[in-house]
Amino acid sequence: SYELTQPPSVSVSPGQTARITCSADALSKEYAYWYQQKPGQAPVLLIYKDSERPSGIPERFSGSTSGTTVTLTISEVQVEDEADYYCQSADSSGKSMIFGGGTKLTVL
Amino acid sequence: QVQLVESGGGVVQPGGSLRLSCEGSGFPFSDYGMHWVRQAPGKGLEWVAVISDDGNNKYYADSVKGRFTISRDNSKNTLYLQMDSLRVEDTALYYCAKGGEYFQHWGQGTLVTVSS
Repeated sequence: SYELTQPPSVSVSPGQTARITCSADALSKEYAYWYQQKPGQAPVLLIYKDSERPSGIPERFSGSTSGTTVTLTISEVQVEDEADYYCQSADSSGKSMIFGGGTKLTVL
Repeated sequence: QVQLVESGGGVVQPGGSLRLSCEGSGFPFSDYGMHWVRQAPGKGLEWVAVISDDGNNKYYADSVKGRFTISRDNSKNTLYLQMDSLRVEDTALYYCAKGGEYFQHWGQGTLVTVSS
């Protein structure tokens, strides 16, 4: 198995753009997924297959990939976006799922 | 809409057992793989186990292999997690989640506390 590396925290002011990265060599071959978890709530899927957005997720949330790093970008950040964000992938066999350590987004 | 409702959590002593359930509705339950994911207090998400749509394939995280068993009853739209030989470090909020290689929908979780 492998590890997904995320920054522990990111801070941004309302209206600015937040970028949260997730790195691992395997991400050059495997898809990445992103989840948002607000305090006391279950996680919510934000992005699947690196850059696809499920219905109901605002366009402000987008995903991209470059080599071994995937990035979640939140445009025009709102106070309500303050949450923990997790990236996730699967090993090549599909028999094991891996989460990053999570990034706490603070909206100042 | 998709609903996943977990139950069965509680307080158990180290070495004890517990069985969690997750009832799904609002989607064709037998068409989807299902997972258990846990979150220790104040910590991140940890994948626990997955079962295929037909129940024939099951995979586990190394931390629970040999102690936990995932199963499902498609006639009851219900997913299970049998947890044996519980340890203090198994204390967590346990979520069930719908999906294959990722988690499309999540339940609200059921809390398991392992303590003497």
